[in-house]
Amino acid sequence: KQEVTQIPAALSVPEGENLVLNCSFTDSAIYNLQWFRQDPGKGLTSLLLIQSSQREQTSGRLNASLDKSSGRSTLYIAASQPGDSATYLCAVLGGKLIFGQGTELSVKP
Amino acid sequence: DTGVSQNPRHKITKRGQNVTFRCDPISEHNRLYWYRQTLGQGPEFLTYFQNEAQLEKSRLLSDRFSAERPKGSFSTLEIQRTEQGDSAMYLCASSLVSSYNEQFFGPGTRLTVL
Repeated sequence: KQEVTQIPAALSVPEGENLVLNCSFTDSAIYNLQWFRQDPGKGLTSLLLIQSSQREQTSGRLNASLDKSSGRSTLYIAASQPGDSATYLCAVLGGKLIFGQGTELSVKP
Repeated sequence: DTGVSQNPRHKITKRGQNVTFRCDPISEHNRLYWYRQTLGQGPEFLTYFQNEAQLEKSRLLSDRFSAERPKGSFSTLEIQRTEQGDSAMYLCASSLVSSYNEQFFGPGTRLTVL
């Protein structure tokens, strides 16, 4: 059974810092991995999708990496801003999306 | 707006009542998914459709829950005889199989059962 874990559960950083969010999964037989952002009380916004054959994807200040053999993905956020404050969720797709519990990020001005 | 839409956005009901939620996917997407999210947790898969066929149902989907996608376009999720434990955010997503199944989510329906 696929299990997805995100560490840390919460993170608070000052504005301008670079930061890394971690995601691990137990079954490497995945089709792809998606990182999402969720603002309080809202739906999910897709940030990046990494196919199982890829190692990383970049979008603006975001970079996501995937290491299937070790069952790990990271989301790197460069030069964090207060507007980045949200919960970040990773999810792996085997037949369906299996989500981690999320990392709640707070960026202080 | 070409995103996924869900209605209603909020629903408050009394225990024992039936409720129905609607999801309109992105128009060209052939897969539609339902998830449930409780506070502080990641979303949990409930069921998904490819066109009008319901291909998978989670064990979380008790016999009080039923989902339909009659014409392969919008979908409805009905909960009968609601219980307080059904209180959650119900999220809908859609994807196009040919584009790596990247899923796009709607804003969700927040259900509160009193």
